[in-house]
Amino acid sequence: EVQLVESGGGLVEQGGSLRLACAASGLTFSKAWMNWVRQAPGKGLEWVGRIKSKPDGGTPDYAAPVKDRFTISRDDSKNTVYLQMNSLKTEDTAVYYCVWSGYYYRFDSWGQGTLVTVSA
Amino acid sequence: EIVLTQSPGTLSLSPGERATLSCRASQSISSSYLAWYQQKPGQAPRFLIYSASNRATGVPDRFSGSGSGTDFTLTISRLEPEDFAVYYCQHFGNSPSYTFGQGTNLEIK
Repeated sequence: EVQLVESGGGLVEQGGSLRLACAASGLTFSKAWMNWVRQAPGKGLEWVGRIKSKPDGGTPDYAAPVKDRFTISRDDSKNTVYLQMNSLKTEDTAVYYCVWSGYYYRFDSWGQGTLVTVSA
Repeated sequence: EIVLTQSPGTLSLSPGERATLSCRASQSISSSYLAWYQQKPGQAPRFLIYSASNRATGVPDRFSGSGSGTDFTLTISRLEPEDFAVYYCQHFGNSPSYTFGQGTNLEIK
């Protein structure tokens, strides 16, 4: 069974930085494409970005609202994916989910999420 | 960017009834790139359907997906109490751009 455990959420002031981590187990992490999805309080789901596996290039891609502020990276030796968030805005307040794509065009497994609150 | 519009916003039904949830794309998309998820309050979303009509592992067969082009449907044949939740459709677009619909809240009548 795939398990994804996010950590690193919390309260940060506008303009500040935070790094989230997602520890994965139950999958061959080195081959996994990993995503981050967020959900603002009471709102719907929004894709934040993804990182390909290193065999597939290891490159990240980002949604427009976070491009140039957020960075996704991975450490395959630790089975962990990271989301570095800089220049945070109040509208970045959300629960952030780590998500595994077991195959193309699907989000198979989701972590429990970690709450990021950005204060004005 | 493709926009997905889900309807209705809220659907009130009773256990045992049939639920039909709609997801409409702003332009024609390949059914291979359309997925559905279920989310219950306080929980992470759960993967239900991929490529518009294929159930994920462990999803009961009362859940079915269909559609093509711009119109897609998630049907729950006979509602069980645990099926009342919010449902999202998702499109895997180029660039990439992975957009979600705004969700349909399926509530108990």
